[in-house]
Amino acid sequence: DAGVTQSPTHLIKTRGQQVTLRCSPISGHKSVSWYQQVLGQGPQFIFQYYEKEERGRGNFPDRFSARQFPNYSSELNVNALLLGDSALYLCASSWTGDEQYFGPGTRLTVT
Amino acid sequence: QQQVKQSPQSLIVQKGGISIINCAYENTAFDYFPWYQQFPGKGPALLIAIRPDVSEKKEGRFTISFNKSAKQFSLHIMDSQPGDSATYFCAATLNTGNQFYFGTGTSLTVIP
Repeated sequence: DAGVTQSPTHLIKTRGQQVTLRCSPISGHKSVSWYQQVLGQGPQFIFQYYEKEERGRGNFPDRFSARQFPNYSSELNVNALLLGDSALYLCASSWTGDEQYFGPGTRLTVT
Repeated sequence: QQQVKQSPQSLIVQKGGISIINCAYENTAFDYFPWYQQFPGKGPALLIAIRPDVSEKKEGRFTISFNKSAKQFSLHIMDSQPGDSATYFCAATLNTGNQFYFGTGTSLTVIP
């Protein structure tokens, strides 16, 4: 079975721009979570979606938004990009919420 | 407030030795404690996980020891190999699993 896939792999944006990151979960998994990992730190929770409903939201500003589609894939949107948004954005999928399996991430660089 | 505190920040072990990484948590409601391994440029990979109803779980060379009263858990890597060189993260979550709290990571280097 294919693991969690994310696109794009790398992305370079300018301050103030908007970005959309995409995630496809493992087949059969209904839960998708998004994390931000700054270099040298552990992942920080942004959102979790289960059956297209938001189940949890971390301590991130309203510039961050997400949604889950009927096929359980998900998008993370970040508006008005700041230099501090530069990070590895990770998507994780799971059947119910625990045993989360991470994708390879999208490396976002904001200049 | 850091919900999960991890130590040491870095660790160097000889090949064949035992690597030990420790984590402490604050919230007694946490009930699922996974460990992840991350190689540079890759996403974290689930290694092993434990729930608080057991004190130890072993899978191959990896063992989690769990001390509920002390609110601590640790990862032991037996017979450490150079291929184990990576960053290791502990994490904790509530039973709904809707938010994982990660430690700050331990960079492990296994010297041949």
